[in-house]
Order: sequence, then structure tokens, then C-alpha cells
Amino acid sequence: GAVVSQHPSRVICKSGTSVKIECRSLDFQATTMFWYRQFPKQSLMLMATSNEGSKATYEQGVEKDKFLINHASLTLSTLTVTSAHPEDSSFYICSAQTGGDGYTFGSGTRLTVV
Amino acid sequence: QKEVEQNSGPLSVPEGAIASLNCTYSDRGSQSFFWYRQYSGKSPELIMFIYSNGDKEDGRFTAQLNKASQYVSLLIRDSQPSDSATYLCALRAGDKIIFGKGTRLHILP
Repeated sequence: GAVVSQHPSRVICKSGTSVKIECRSLDFQATTMFWYRQFPKQSLMLMATSNEGSKATYEQGVEKDKFLINHASLTLSTLTVTSAHPEDSSFYICSAQTGGDGYTFGSGTRLTVV
Repeated sequence: QKEVEQNSGPLSVPEGAIASLNCTYSDRGSQSFFWYRQYSGKSPELIMFIYSNGDKEDGRFTAQLNKASQYVSLLIRDSQPSDSATYLCALRAGDKIIFGKGTRLHILP
């Protein structure tokens, strides 16, 4: 089946630094990638939708200058958390549509900002 | 604004019993609905999707959809301790998947 590989699985960074999270579709072309954030005991909240070769579409309340999304190829989308702060600590998950009602999720990245 | 509502639980069910999870949604125009299972610290796993009124069965799982009542449910028969997880109800809005807050299910051995 369709697989999305997400790296890193876990990262700890210092406050003020930037962190990049990568999601690669391994055996299919992901025209669209969705980025979610999940705080403890909360649901997945959609942050943005990235489309290959164009600017990402951000959900209301998500700072586009803080969460930079790049989708330069049909198999790679990246999320960069810039100038990270402790409140950005969360579980970040990407998802790609594989066709029809099929969606596959990455394994998630646990970000801890200290 | 499309919303998906779930009782956060926890819902405790004895092993071997039927677990019943419920979900309501606000947009009457929604067509596709999903149930995902999420273990702590992991990403969601699709259990099943449903888009027709009625029941859809897959092994021990049965999804039920009632569009008139804007209600989706998931039944888990012969509950096992490994079914203990958070169950997320979701719907498709355009190309996006919108999730409910999830119901924590605890199967009592």
C-alpha cells in the first residue's frame, strides 16, 4: 500500500532555533500533502495544505511565516518550524491523499522545544 | 465551519463486550466519513470509511451512518484489550479530512 515516510520521529531543539520535518511518499506521487498538529489529549488540527509547485494554503490562525511549508516535488513535502518556542512543542503529522477517499499518514514527529 | 463532535470519554467496556462509539457532525452536505484508531504517541490508523446510509461491516467492526440524523457510529464486537485506544471520527471536507476530538476507549480485562 501507499506509504508516507516521515522524519525525524522525535526531535528536541532549543528555543529560537528552526526545525525541519520531512514527509516523503515512497511509492506514489503525492500532489497534495496535509499537515496536522496534535497537542496532548487533543485531536488532530489541520494546519495547512500543500500542493506540489505552489504555495501552501494555511488554516485560520496558523502563522504562515512561522510554519514554512515547501512541496517542491511530487514525493517530498517539508514543514519548517521557525524560531521555535516551547508552545510549539507538539506532535506533527503529515497525510497524503492516495486517491478517492484514501489517505495515508506519516508516522508523526514529536517536537519538544526546550 | 464543519464540525465533528465526539464524547471524549473514557469509555470503559469489559473484554468480550460490544463497544459503541458515537459521533455527530454539523454539515448536512458531508458525504464521506471515517473512523480512525490512534494509539498513544502514534499516528492514526484507518479502521474503515463509510458514505452510504446504513451499516458497513469489516471483521469485528461495524460502522453505521444516518445522514438524516447526522450521526455516525462504530461498533466493536468481542472487544479486546488491544482495542484500547483513542477512536477518531472524521469527515471529508473537499480534499481535507476534519477530525473530531476522539473518544478514549478502555477495554477492561
